[in-house]
Amino acid sequence: KNEVEQSPQNLTAQEGEFITINCSYSVGISALHWLQQHPGGGIVSLFMLSSGKKKHGRLIATINIQEKHSSLHITASHPRDSAVYICAVNYNTDKLIFGTGTRLQVFP
Amino acid sequence: GAGVSQSPRYKVAKRGQDVALRCDPISGHVSLFWYQQALGQGPEFLTYFQNEAQLDKSGLPSDRFFAERPEGSVSTLKIQRTQQEDSAVYLCASSGPRARNQPQHFGDGTRLSIL
Repeated sequence: KNEVEQSPQNLTAQEGEFITINCSYSVGISALHWLQQHPGGGIVSLFMLSSGKKKHGRLIATINIQEKHSSLHITASHPRDSAVYICAVNYNTDKLIFGTGTRLQVFP
Repeated sequence: GAGVSQSPRYKVAKRGQDVALRCDPISGHVSLFWYQQALGQGPEFLTYFQNEAQLDKSGLPSDRFFAERPEGSVSTLKIQRTQQEDSAVYLCASSGPRARNQPQHFGDGTRLSIL
């Protein structure tokens, strides 16, 4: 079964800390997505990548195709970053397969 | 519209009732997906349309679940004879063609509670 594993499941940080969330997948993919979900359900797409590294503001996403692994980094974390971060992949199909998410809480 | 719109935002139904959930995708988006998210879990795929064609319905959990997109725009997910295990958030997402190479845009979801 094609799966997506995320770690950690829960993460607590103090404001200003550097955050890393990890994602691993099982076989070749066409794309990997990092998504953010706030309480109430709305999901926002942060990154879509198939190789290398992307940066947007304080967020950085990297992917290592050989190791089948991706990381999402948040620099200078802020309480407003508190959310659930979800990794999802396209296993060469149009539908997304999701990880279970990482719940991040950033305290002032 | 500016984004994917889902209605209702919340739906409470008694076990055994039928429900219908609506998704209005971003204008021009040919690909439309339905996902189910149980409490504390990641979303799981239900079904996928490209225009009016339902290309994949492998994730529908039973024959009580039915989805349609008759004119290639608005989609409706119908659940017949609801059961308590159907309680979840139902998410709709849309994207352009060649969906595997594009980000998906999500609605806020419909939170369904079956009593």
